[in-house]
Amino acid sequence: IAGITQAPTSQILAAGRRMTLRCTQDMRHNAMYWYRQDLGLGLRLIHYSNTAGTTGKGEVPDGYSVSRANTDDFPLTLASAVPSQTSVYFCASSVNSGGYEQYFGPGTRLTVT
Amino acid sequence: QKEVEQNSGPLSVPEGAIASLNCTYSDRVSQSFFWYRQYSGKSPELIMSIYSNGDKEDGRFTAQLNKASQYVSLLIRDSQPSDSATYLCADQYSSASKIIFGSGTRLSIRP
Repeated sequence: IAGITQAPTSQILAAGRRMTLRCTQDMRHNAMYWYRQDLGLGLRLIHYSNTAGTTGKGEVPDGYSVSRANTDDFPLTLASAVPSQTSVYFCASSVNSGGYEQYFGPGTRLTVT
Repeated sequence: QKEVEQNSGPLSVPEGAIASLNCTYSDRVSQSFFWYRQYSGKSPELIMSIYSNGDKEDGRFTAQLNKASQYVSLLIRDSQPSDSATYLCADQYSSASKIIFGSGTRLSIRP
């Protein structure tokens, strides 16, 4: 299967719990991204990685962490979930950083209660 | 703060007509621009990318870029009901490896 996969598809999580959203791509793209999408606020960048072994903070990084141990995987961790992290989370990738087209995974719908 | 502005809509267009979606951006050094389509409950899907001033055509879609006016648009010819979706404009400014998205314009094609 070519493209980006995300897991889980949806999740209901109690506040204070730890959660890792998984993202895997098989396109050998160097750059990967995590976004959250909230009604009326559009897509906001949480964290990004220009290449395996490097990560960077986006617009809304607080409460989230990422790692990039290899080219294919880019997990997003919520260390202690809060209700304001209720959102739809999209993972994306591009061949390289800097002006290249980004391709999105199917998303994870997360509800923190 | 670098921004991308879009009219949230909804924009209602009769089937078969031309739908025109507009976007303005604030960063004068932006180099790359993208249009994404997003159906309700789905992920954004890339439609067009444009990097130079002028028009770029792909099937029923035409992207137009005017860097002097900091304006990018998407025209959809012969609009179909399947074109009903939210359209996101995005730009990547040269000083960073990130893309800024607009909040999207909701397009409705009425039969």
